[in-house]
Amino acid sequence: QSVLTQPPSVSAAPGQKVTISCSGSSSNIGNNYVSWYQQLPGTAPKLLIYDNNKRPSGIPDRFSGSKSGTSATLGITGLQTGDEADYYCGTWDSSLSTGPVVFGGGTKLTV
Amino acid sequence: EVQLLESGGGLVQPGGSLRLSCAASGFTFSTYAMNWVRQIPGKGLEWVSAVRGTGASTYYADSVNGRFTISRDNSKNTLYLEMNYLRAEDTALYYCAKGRGELPGHALDIWGQGTMVTVSS
Repeated sequence: QSVLTQPPSVSAAPGQKVTISCSGSSSNIGNNYVSWYQQLPGTAPKLLIYDNNKRPSGIPDRFSGSKSGTSATLGITGLQTGDEADYYCGTWDSSLSTGPVVFGGGTKLTV
Repeated sequence: EVQLLESGGGLVQPGGSLRLSCAASGFTFSTYAMNWVRQIPGKGLEWVSAVRGTGASTYYADSVNGRFTISRDNSKNTLYLEMNYLRAEDTALYYCAKGRGELPGHALDIWGQGTMVTVSS
């Protein structure tokens, strides 16, 4: 069971918008930056969002991130079939009961 | 081009050992923390270990602490993961990933293609 909680799956039609939630606690999301990763089938994960809401060079502005309290959200607008992938949130965790880096269980996006 | 290339995976018996390597290129290796993340095929990501850019501090997931050792050779731009007392549950694809800062805790912005470790008799 993951420290960060994500919905197992979400779906939306092409052109629509979808959001993926990531819920944690004060030891992780509440006091640290959140990052989001996209993993297309058969490939390595790719950084989409860092520091809660920043996009690396080359990531389109259709992807956005936000954080409020102990939860974070990834938003994707103008959905394309090529966006079908698994999405993971990640952050630092200062709790002694977990490793310092934690990921969510992942959310499968179907377009 | 920024690149990470893992090697060293393979089939090993339970209780055995394996050493993974990750060759980095295209960036100032010693400036950034490096991580190992694993993934059982069809399952989610599990962070395994990290080391500061200087190599001065290391960090481990509870599941591997005491069995795995992360290290780096900044003169060779290479990251290592020494895995001992391997168990069936260590079977996974192991990714090397670069952090965005010298300290662990930053986002992982570059990932290798992974190397498969299979622990089975």
